[in-house]
Amino acid sequence: DIQMTQSPSSLSASVGDTVTITCRASQTITYYLNWYQQIPGKAPRLLIYAASTLQNGVPSRFTGSGSETDFTLTISSLHPEDFGTYYCQQSYSSPPTFGRGTKLEIK
Amino acid sequence: EVQLLESGGGLVRPGGSQRLSCAASGFTFSSYPMAWVRQTPGKGLEWVATISRDADSTYYADSVVGRFTISRDNSKSTVDLQMTSLRADDTAIYYCAKVDSTEPFDYWGQGALVTVSS
Repeated sequence: DIQMTQSPSSLSASVGDTVTITCRASQTITYYLNWYQQIPGKAPRLLIYAASTLQNGVPSRFTGSGSETDFTLTISSLHPEDFGTYYCQQSYSSPPTFGRGTKLEIK
Repeated sequence: EVQLLESGGGLVRPGGSQRLSCAASGFTFSSYPMAWVRQTPGKGLEWVATISRDADSTYYADSVVGRFTISRDNSKSTVDLQMTSLRADDTAIYYCAKVDSTEPFDYWGQGALVTVSS
């Protein structure tokens, strides 16, 4: 199975800050990398798919980049509603696997 | 608006069975694969099973193969997960998810909690 490693596991930032979360795959996944946001008590929400394509309705302050094994999610100009946990997931090969998450706390 | 609504969660004894159902609306159900994904505090998000658009192919995580069965009824826009020989480590929130053509889980239900305990 492809292992997905996220860092950091948690971070704290202020409204208006820019934050970056990284995700590394244990082998190449080309661009088959997806990012999800989960607010406590809610289901995950797809933010970005195919490494850099924004899902419909997701604000443009979310950007994804990367390929092969190394990927990043950047959130610019943080809003209060951006708190929560972010997960990466590879859809390159079965089984689809997720990272352990990055918990973003708003200062 | 895409909506996925799970039902059937609850408390079940070890070794018992439970059936989850997911009712879909807001999209052409028969055009998309569907999946179940579970979440626990200890193991995080874990894919469980996927079923193809016309139900001719099913895929399972190694941890559930032989115990869980995914099925769908395109005439009713529902997808089910039949779980048997349940174990304590199957305790989780189970999410129904729509699978986009490019493979991400693009819409999720609200989740159904399954607790396996004596």
